[in-house]
Amino acid sequence: DTGVSQDPRHKITKRGQNVTFRCDPISEHNRLYWYRQTLGQGPEFLTYFQNEAQLEKSRLLSDRFSAERPKGSFSTLEIQRTEQGDSAMYLCASSSPSGQDSGNTIYFGEGSWLTVV
Amino acid sequence: AQKITQTQPGMFVQEKEAVTLDCTYDTSDPSYGLFWYKQPSSGEMIFLIYQGSYDQQNATEGRYSLNFQKARKSANLVISASQLGDSAMYFCAMSPKYNAGNMLTFGGGTRLMVKP
Repeated sequence: DTGVSQDPRHKITKRGQNVTFRCDPISEHNRLYWYRQTLGQGPEFLTYFQNEAQLEKSRLLSDRFSAERPKGSFSTLEIQRTEQGDSAMYLCASSSPSGQDSGNTIYFGEGSWLTVV
Repeated sequence: AQKITQTQPGMFVQEKEAVTLDCTYDTSDPSYGLFWYKQPSSGEMIFLIYQGSYDQQNATEGRYSLNFQKARKSANLVISASQLGDSAMYFCAMSPKYNAGNMLTFGGGTRLMVKP
């Protein structure tokens, strides 16, 4: 499978616990994105990496959220001290460098569902 | 700031007929990209079609075509010969750059239901 993969697909956690999601982008893609999608809404941008550099962060990304992409390959999104409002699907996406033939397409993974109880 | 509006929360279409899903956008940037994604119940966002703001012709991908009317700031998705497997949520999105590579702003989505 050469698509974007995310792990775990589902996570149920108690309020106050920390959770971490992992994303493996398409191998030749240097750009990686995290989005959050709540029920009945479209995805909302959280953050964006080009290689290992985190270039953009949304105001939605509070201090409890941290994302890393240490070697410019896979990425992790950690949520500390989870709250019920964090319950959502967390989508990862990747794309190739701008200007290449496929640079116009951003490919998404299947998402990681988080339920905070 | 960019904004995407999808005014149809839900749509029904008869199998084998064509359907148009509406999308209007708002931006002050001259350069941008427009996307349509399909999201089945499994959750994955599946890329369907892309239109750049400088593209002269409407984009087409198989049964999907994008009716791009720049002056009206609309980017409607047309699905021809609907199939039962087309039942899903459809999201219109835009990027701030012609070649994407940057964050997407999504609309609220339209749920399409194909009737046999």
